[in-house]
Amino acid sequence: SQTIHQWPATLVQPVGSPLSLECTVEGTSNPNLYWYRQAAGRGLQLLFYSVGIGQISSEVPQNLSASRPQDRQFILSSKKLLLSDSGFYLCAWSVGQGFRSPLHFGNGTRLTVT
Amino acid sequence: EDKVVQSPLSLVVHEGDTVTLNCSYEVTNFRSLLWYKQEKKAPTFLFMLTSSGIEKKSGRLSSILDKKELFSILNITATQTGDSAVYLCAVDSTSGTYKYIFGTGTRLKVLA
Repeated sequence: SQTIHQWPATLVQPVGSPLSLECTVEGTSNPNLYWYRQAAGRGLQLLFYSVGIGQISSEVPQNLSASRPQDRQFILSSKKLLLSDSGFYLCAWSVGQGFRSPLHFGNGTRLTVT
Repeated sequence: EDKVVQSPLSLVVHEGDTVTLNCSYEVTNFRSLLWYKQEKKAPTFLFMLTSSGIEKKSGRLSSILDKKELFSILNITATQTGDSAVYLCAVDSTSGTYKYIFGTGTRLKVLA
C-alpha cells in the first residue's frame, strides 16, 4: 500500500532563515506530487505541483521554491523566510493523468516564523 | 476563475443530530468532486463523485452530486463527537492541469 511521509511535524524559524521541508511517497511510481499551504481558518492553497522528476509548476509567486530530485521525493524550500510564510504545509500525491486518483495527504508541517 | 464555495462556514450540533454540508462550484471542464475530513492534521479522503445523482455512502456518511446545478452535499446522520472536524470539498478540473481546487471548509462541532 502507498504511504506518504512528511517531516518535520513542527518547526519554529526566525524571519530571514532558510527552510527545507521534505516529503517522500512509498508504494507507487511516478506520482503527481503537490505542496499545499493552509493558513488558519482558510482553505488549502496550492503552492507547487510536479508530474515528474525535475518538473515543477508554481501556482503562487512567492519566496518559496520546490524541487523533485527523485521520483518519489518532493522538497519545499526558502532562502529567507517571511512572517507571512507561517502556516500548515501539506504534501500530497495522486496518480494518473487521464483519470487521477484522489489526493492523499501527509501529516503536515506546522511552520511558525517568528 | 474557478472556485469552490462551502456552506455553512461552521456548525454546532448535538450528538444524534443529522447535518447537511454544502459545496457549490464553478469550474471549467469538471471532472470530479472530492470530500475530505480534517481533524488535527492531514485531510483524510471520504468520497469521490463523478456522476450526478449517484449517492456514495459509507456508514453514517453519504454524499451526492448534482452536475446540472453544480453542487454537492455531504450528509452525516446520527452524529457523534468523533465527527467533529473540518470538512473540505475539492474539485478536480481538467482545465487546471493537475489542480484540485479546495473550498475553505465547514467546521463541524458535535456536542455530547
